[in-house]
Amino acid sequence: AQSVTQPDIHITVSEGASLELRCNYSYGATPYLFWYVQSPGQGLQLLLKYFSGDTLVQGIKGFEAEFKRSQSSFNLRKPSVHWSDAAEYFCAVGPDYGGATNKLIFGTGTLLAVQP
Amino acid sequence: GAVVSQHPSRVICKSGTSVKIECRSLDFQATTMFWYRQFPKQSLMLMATSNEGSKATYEQGVEKDKFLINHASLTLSTLTVTSAHPEDSSFYICSALQGEGLGPQHFGDGTRLSIL
Repeated sequence: AQSVTQPDIHITVSEGASLELRCNYSYGATPYLFWYVQSPGQGLQLLLKYFSGDTLVQGIKGFEAEFKRSQSSFNLRKPSVHWSDAAEYFCAVGPDYGGATNKLIFGTGTLLAVQP
Repeated sequence: GAVVSQHPSRVICKSGTSVKIECRSLDFQATTMFWYRQFPKQSLMLMATSNEGSKATYEQGVEKDKFLINHASLTLSTLTVTSAHPEDSSFYICSALQGEGLGPQHFGDGTRLSIL
């Protein structure tokens, strides 16, 4: 079955420092990969997605992610973190062929704290 | 950008009452919407896939008689938690699929349901 693993439950970085959030997936076909961000008490906002082509994907808010098939990874990066980036980040993979073709499987999330 | 409106944002009610949550796509038509449940400090758990004009598809373990879904138009899906009990207290989030296949899912801001 398809699955997504985010090994880091909680990460703290200093403002201005670089950031990398890890995401590993288990998938039997070519995956479609997503990163979402969730601020407290709110829904999810799409940061970026990978379907095919260039394995380095640019997203909103200065984020990027790199798809590495050999490592089954899709890590999210940002060169310089801002205090407003503090939030929870979810990696997701789709489609789930076990059900609706457009169903996403979400990781457990990484909570990012930014210290001054 | 595409916007999904979810209402109400917060509801507190007595045990035994039924609660309806609305999810509207404001500037696009959504044949497919999704309903998720999120427990504190956990990821999103897909409850059901809502399809306009047809019955919803429920995930394993989700009681369809407990969580009634109606997708009566291309811009509105509703989730009704029937005879709610304290264990139904949670954060419920909807998303609307823009386009077909793996078009982006746009999320509502969620509904915090508290059953006393």
